[in-house]
Amino acid sequence: EDQVTQSPEALRLQEGESSSLNCSYTVSGLRGLFWYRQDPGKGPEFLFTLYSAGEEKEKERLKATLTKKESFLHITAPKPEDSATYLCAVQARGTSYGKLTFGQGTILTVHP
Amino acid sequence: DGGITQSPKYLFRKEGQNVTLSCEQNLNHDAMYWYRQDPGQGLRLIYYSQIVNDFQKGDIAEGYSVSREKKESFPLTVTSAQKNPTAFYLCASSTQTAKETQYFGPGTRLLVL
Repeated sequence: EDQVTQSPEALRLQEGESSSLNCSYTVSGLRGLFWYRQDPGKGPEFLFTLYSAGEEKEKERLKATLTKKESFLHITAPKPEDSATYLCAVQARGTSYGKLTFGQGTILTVHP
Repeated sequence: DGGITQSPKYLFRKEGQNVTLSCEQNLNHDAMYWYRQDPGQGLRLIYYSQIVNDFQKGDIAEGYSVSREKKESFPLTVTSAQKNPTAFYLCASSTQTAKETQYFGPGTRLLVL
C-alpha cells in the first residue's frame, strides 16, 4: 500500500528564517511526486512535480528536491504570505489512472 | 479565464437528504476527480472519470454517486447512505490521468444540520 508521511505536522518560523519540510513516501515505483499549497478554506494550488531522484525545481522562495525515499520543500527567507498548509502527494506506477496518495500536510506559519 | 468552479461554497444537508455538489471545468481536461478532505487527514479519492460516460470508484465511494454526461461537468451526489458527510469536498481535473498534474477547484464545505 502506498504511503506518504509529512513532517513536521506544524512549523512556526520567523520571517527570514529558512527551513525545510519533509515528505517521506513508500510506493511501488514512483511515477511522480507533487507539491501543493493550500490556504484555509480553499483548494490546493499546484506548486511542483518531480519525476526522478535528483530532480530539483524552484519557484520564488521555494525549492523542491527528490530522493528515492523522500522529498524536501526548502523555504528560503520566508515571508508571512508563505503561511499555508503544504501538501505532498505521490502517484505510483501500475495505476491506470492518476490516483494520488496524499500526506496529511504540514501547516506552516511565518511570523513577521 | 480557464479554471475549475465548484458550487455552492457551503452546503447544508438534513438527515436523510441527498445533496449534489457541482464541478465544472473549462480547461478541456479529459479526467476529473472528487476528493474528500477531513481535518488532519490527507485527501481521499471518492470517484474519478477518465472520459465522458465513464467513471470508477475510488477509495471511499460508499454513500456517493457521480455522473459524467459532459466533458466539462462532473457532479457528485452525497446520498443519505453516507453517514458521516461533513467534510471539505474538492474537485480536480487533469489533461490525462497518468503522470499529469491535477488542478483543483475551490472546494465545497458540506455541513449536516
